[in-house]
Amino acid sequence: ETGVTQSPTHLIKTRGQQVTLRCSSQSGHNTVSWYQQALGQGPQFIFQYYREEENGRGNFPPRFSGLQFPNYSSELNVNALELDDSALYLCASSSEDRFSNEQFFGPGTRLTVL
Amino acid sequence: AQSVTQPDIHITVSEGASLELRCNYSYGATPYLFWYVQSPGQGLQLLLKYFSGDTLVQGIKGFEAEFKRSQSSFNLRKPSVHWSDAAEYFCAVAALNNAGNMLTFGGGTRLMVKP
Repeated sequence: ETGVTQSPTHLIKTRGQQVTLRCSSQSGHNTVSWYQQALGQGPQFIFQYYREEENGRGNFPPRFSGLQFPNYSSELNVNALELDDSALYLCASSSEDRFSNEQFFGPGTRLTVL
Repeated sequence: AQSVTQPDIHITVSEGASLELRCNYSYGATPYLFWYVQSPGQGLQLLLKYFSGDTLVQGIKGFEAEFKRSQSSFNLRKPSVHWSDAAEYFCAVAALNNAGNMLTFGGGTRLMVKP
């Protein structure tokens, strides 16, 4: 069974640029959630995708957008990067069994905005 | 809206000593509660979870947690800490939706273990 993978591992961008982060979900999982973890803080929920549609969103501006593909992998896109976007971005996959409710996290992508 | 508070930002214990990490939550319904551990440079690993039933739940690596509804708490405990337990620990509460759950995390507690 393959776990959750994310790419790239690290990324450096400059303010105003756009970035795309990628996530492959664990086998058998059809739900992907994205979290932002700033340095020294707990992860914050960005949004969730279920069956290729956004299924919930946290308090993040529209310049944070996503996609989920038929194979349940996912992308997180951030436009007009700001310095405060520097963080570890975590992807988590889960099944639609709400009573199982366990999310499996990937290792994250470390984004630095200069 | 739900929230989680972890009052202790840093905790240092000696190897072999007992450990308790505090977690308080705010949620309008029956909470689904989790403890995750994060080692440097790694993602989050689930230690244990509470959905219903027995309020004392056992997890991996010898950890346990007790759900106390009256105190809105879900504290994590371990009777004897090992040096490899040094990491960041996060408590989380889940808001269910039709597909799964959305986690709200506390700010984390960094555990350091003295030899």
